[in-house]
Amino acid sequence: EDQVTQSPEALRLQEGESSSLNCSYTVSGLRGLFWYRQDPGKGPEFLFTLYSAGEEKEKERLKATLTKKESFLHITAPKPEDSATYLCAVRGWEAAGNKLTFGGGTRVLVKP
Amino acid sequence: KAGVTQTPRYLIKTRGQQVTLSCSPISGHRSVSWYQQTPGQGLQFLFEYFSETQRNKGNFPGRFSGRQFSNSRSEMNVSTLELGDSALYLCASKTENTGELFFGEGSRLTVL
Repeated sequence: EDQVTQSPEALRLQEGESSSLNCSYTVSGLRGLFWYRQDPGKGPEFLFTLYSAGEEKEKERLKATLTKKESFLHITAPKPEDSATYLCAVRGWEAAGNKLTFGGGTRVLVKP
Repeated sequence: KAGVTQTPRYLIKTRGQQVTLSCSPISGHRSVSWYQQTPGQGLQFLFEYFSETQRNKGNFPGRFSGRQFSNSRSEMNVSTLELGDSALYLCASKTENTGELFFGEGSRLTVL
């Protein structure tokens, strides 16, 4: 069974203070690792898809990287509007269809 | 392009009642998935439909059911509601050509 663990559970940052979020995963075979951002009371917003170890994707102040066992979401010089819960999910080869297994998320608070 | 639309956004029910939630996927998306999100369990997969057929089902009791119509719109139903069914129910859609799911804003169900 696919498993995803995210750490830390919560992160408080000062504006401009860069940091990284971790996503450790166990899958039979990786069909994709996904990062989402979720604001309170809203649905998850898609950020990145990574498919193979060594792959990197960037969007504004966010950069996602992937190894064979974990993924990192780096937040560079964050701003208060980056405050949200960041969710990591995997799709493994044993999962039929398009099922995603999610981690518990990391709540990020960026203070001005 | 319109996103995934879920109705109703909020609803309150009492134990023993049943509820039906609706989801309209992004135009052209034929795969629709449903997830339950709670503070304790996070995001958990309920089921997925593709071309009116259930393609995958999560570990939920038979009280949770769904269906998909020929226009790809989907509904999920929960019968004999329990207090523990209080959650944010999220619908997501995707094409078969890309990996990512796109989520709606969710239906917030409160069971009293």
